Amino acid sequence: EPEVTQTPSHQVTQMGQEVILRCVPISNHLYFYWYRQILGQKVEFLVSFYNNEISEKSEIFDDQFSVERPDGSNFTLKIRSTKLEDSAMYFCASSSGQGAHNSPLHFGNGTRLTVT
Amino acid sequence: KQEVTQIPAALSVPEGENLVLNCSFTDSAIYNLQWFRQDPGKGLTSLLLIQSSQREQTSGRLNASLDKSSGRSTLYIAASQPGDSATYLCAVIYYGGSQGNLIFGKGTKLSVKP
Repeated sequence: EPEVTQTPSHQVTQMGQEVILRCVPISNHLYFYWYRQILGQKVEFLVSFYNNEISEKSEIFDDQFSVERPDGSNFTLKIRSTKLEDSAMYFCASSSGQGAHNSPLHFGNGTRLTVT
Repeated sequence: KQEVTQIPAALSVPEGENLVLNCSFTDSAIYNLQWFRQDPGKGLTSLLLIQSSQREQTSGRLNASLDKSSGRSTLYIAASQPGDSATYLCAVIYYGGSQGNLIFGKGTKLSVKP
C-alpha cells in the first residue's frame, strides 16, 4: 500500500539554526499538510497546501515557517531560526483529490526535531 | 472554542474483551470525524472516517458511530488483541475549517493484556 515517507526520522539542531524537513506524499494525492505534536500534547495543524499554494495556515505557522513543493514528488517544511519550543514530532500528511472533507488523511511516521 | 475531548485517557483490558472508546466534540457543524491509531514513536494510521451525513462505519473488528446532535462518537473494538495496544486519536474537521484542518483529541492509550 502506498505510504507517505518522511526524512530524516530524527533531526537534532542548535537553537537559531535552520532546518528542512522532507516528505514524499502518496503519488496521486493532491492535498498536503504539516502537523506537529509536542511531547505529551495534542497533534496540531500547521498548514495545508494545494495547487502549489498554501490553502490555510494556523496561528502557529508564522513567518518562521515556510513550505515548498520543489518538484513533483517532494514537499518540504522549512523552519528558520529554530527555538527550543520548536522541539516536537512533525508529521506530513496527504489526501486524495477529494480533499480532507471527503477522504482520510494519510500520515508519515514523522520527524522528531530536537532543538538544543 | 472548537475542541475534541477523549475519555478515558488510558484503558487497560484483558485480551478478548470488547471495549468502547469515547470522543466528544463541541460543535455539531462538522464535515467529518476520523479515528486514527498511533503506535509509540510512529505516525498516525487512519482507521475509519465518518462523514457528517453518516451514522457509523465498520472495518473488521472496528465500528465507529457518530451522533452529531450530542457531539459524540464511539469507537467499538471487538475481541481485543494485544496487537490493538496503541493510542487511539479522534479528530474532526469543523465547518469553517480548511481542507485538512483536523482538530485532534489527546487520545486514549489502550493496553490489551495477554
